[in-house]
Amino acid sequence: GAVVSQHPSWVICKSGTSVKIECRSLDFQATTMFWYRQFPKQSLMLMATSNEGSKATYEQGVEKDKFLINHASLTLSTLTVTSAHPEDSSFYICSARDSGLSTDTQYFGPGTRLTVL
Amino acid sequence: GDSVTQMEGPVTLSEEAFLTINCTYTATGYPSLFWYVQYPGEGLQLLLKATKADDKGSNKGFEATYRKETTSFHLEKGSVQVSDSAVYFCALSSMFSGGYNKLIFGAGTRLAVHP
Repeated sequence: GAVVSQHPSWVICKSGTSVKIECRSLDFQATTMFWYRQFPKQSLMLMATSNEGSKATYEQGVEKDKFLINHASLTLSTLTVTSAHPEDSSFYICSARDSGLSTDTQYFGPGTRLTVL
Repeated sequence: GDSVTQMEGPVTLSEEAFLTINCTYTATGYPSLFWYVQYPGEGLQLLLKATKADDKGSNKGFEATYRKETTSFHLEKGSVQVSDSAVYFCALSSMFSGGYNKLIFGAGTRLAVHP
């Protein structure tokens, strides 16, 4: 139980294009999902908190117009990197909190590696 | 702000050796503390957690005790196996404005166990 998937697992794109990453909770409903970014040998940094049916809450320093988040259903959140540039290359990880549990435990997806050429 | 510091890796051990991965934290409130593990090619998995001072979290032979006096949550295992090779992340959960918790992670420690 408590499985979170991400798609794609890796993507290579040209500079200036947009890339969409999907995060799905497969066997539970998630009112709240989180998007993280991880640079090599560094910590996971929270980018934004995604709430179903409302606007995402972005962390300080994260451009909301560049990293568009949509949480249209209780099992799906998407992150779109718009007009990607090489500095956006990173490992993007999502997590989801089970809406049916009164706990702060997050379940993580396997991550998506984005490379912008 | 809140932060987590954990020992740098990689940590290389022989099978059946004793493992300690140090983790200390800085927090203004009373956070919950977690250890997550990431096996190669997989997502982060919750290994154990502790929600208040002196709590001991344990799972799969791993243990960590929430030490408020030293602001630490060190991970230990008495006898590691090759299958324990992974990256281990220490994290804390703090309540932020808006009424939700968010996780703050340490940098991660890579553990390699050799037969």
